[in-house]
Amino acid sequence: GIQVEQSPPDLILQEGANSTLRCNFSDSVNNLQWFHQNPWGQLINLFYIPSGTKQNGRLSATTVATERYSLLYISSSQTTDSGVYFCAVSTGANSKLTFGKGITLSVRP
Amino acid sequence: DTAVSQTPKYLVTQMGNDKSIKCEQNLGHDTMYWYKQDSKKFLKIMFSYNNKELIINETVPNRFSPKSPDKAHLNLHINSLELGDSAVYFCASSQGSRVQETQYFGPGTRLLVL
Repeated sequence: GIQVEQSPPDLILQEGANSTLRCNFSDSVNNLQWFHQNPWGQLINLFYIPSGTKQNGRLSATTVATERYSLLYISSSQTTDSGVYFCAVSTGANSKLTFGKGITLSVRP
Repeated sequence: DTAVSQTPKYLVTQMGNDKSIKCEQNLGHDTMYWYKQDSKKFLKIMFSYNNKELIINETVPNRFSPKSPDKAHLNLHINSLELGDSAVYFCASSQGSRVQETQYFGPGTRLLVL
């Protein structure tokens, strides 16, 4: 099956700093989503982005499908950005998502 | 106005017991899913239903049996619970079963088997 690798595994930032989270995948995908799992465990969908670039406030994402990677940018980080960021992809004809292991982000005040 | 809800939020039980987790979505979506998140936070799909029909069935012990009475509900019944079943179980839904769909997750059910 498809392999999804996220890096770095852990990231510590000072409030106000910017960061880039990376997701590499081993095969062509037709669905790619970024999720944020907050410290209370809730999974929030951030972006549906199988290709191209999208922005939502301080967050933006870019997927270069031909080179099999996606990037999530967080600008002016806030403590509420802390949590685990997951990249998930789908390759087949159905909607089965394969998740990466996640990136744990801690934003310190 | 919760979109995807699960009950219970927490479940503590003894080995060998049978338990059920319920999921409901009020988004009008056609497809629902069950995912398991282990202690290392790894998320893996278990099942998916589209309009009450099973469309994804991963390699899951047959002690786990999903049931979808209608497209707004997807329940998960677990027989003969084992220690290794301890995890967080997430329900999710999407508009359809096509790949180009955003999935929305419930709050999770934290299951602890003693």
